[in-house]
Amino acid sequence: NAGVTQTPKFRVLKTGQSMTLLCAQDMNHEYMYWYRQDPGMGLRLIHYSVGEGTTAKGEVPDGYNVSRLKKQNFLLGLESAAPSQTSVYFCASSLTGTSGNYEQYFGPGTRLTVT
Amino acid sequence: SQQGEEDPQALSIQEGENATMNCSYKTSINNLQWYRQNSGRGLVHLILIRSNEREKHSGRLRVTLDTSKKSSSLLITASRAADTASYFCATLTQGGSEKLVFGKGTKLTVNP
Repeated sequence: NAGVTQTPKFRVLKTGQSMTLLCAQDMNHEYMYWYRQDPGMGLRLIHYSVGEGTTAKGEVPDGYNVSRLKKQNFLLGLESAAPSQTSVYFCASSLTGTSGNYEQYFGPGTRLTVT
Repeated sequence: SQQGEEDPQALSIQEGENATMNCSYKTSINNLQWYRQNSGRGLVHLILIRSNEREKHSGRLRVTLDTSKKSSSLLITASRAADTASYFCATLTQGGSEKLVFGKGTKLTVNP
């Protein structure tokens, strides 16, 4: 099993450009999450999904959109990139919700720079 | 909003010594989890402790939870250079949605 994979690994965008980050998991997990990590900070939740076709806002959702058309994929879109969105983005998945005492499995991250 | 706060922010020890990291949080929790992040990599789950548990062990790891003090500690015994990483606690607020809230982490360096 590949676990959780993320595409691309690195990306540089100019302000105002758009892009989509792809997360894929092959563990048949119901829940998927997108986080961002900034220097000296913990992870902050952007959006999450509790199943195919569902999405919900996390702590810092502004400027991002997500879609979960297939159970194994969770896409994160930046509509109009801003320098404040320079960060490392992590995708994670879990079998069911964390309230069910399941851990999250993380991808390797995507390093995004917006100039 | 930051729920868990780790202490210390950075810790440097010699191989073979024990490392203790602490996490404090503000609201009642469902469970608390510890994750490790090697430099430039994703997070790896270490251990989950439920709100009705007081202590858990996994190999060289020992986690305690004191809900009256709203705090947890992670002890790594007989540390190795390979334990060098950042360690994060994450809490799931009781009665809340599926939002795991991470602290800022403790950066552990184990010198050979």
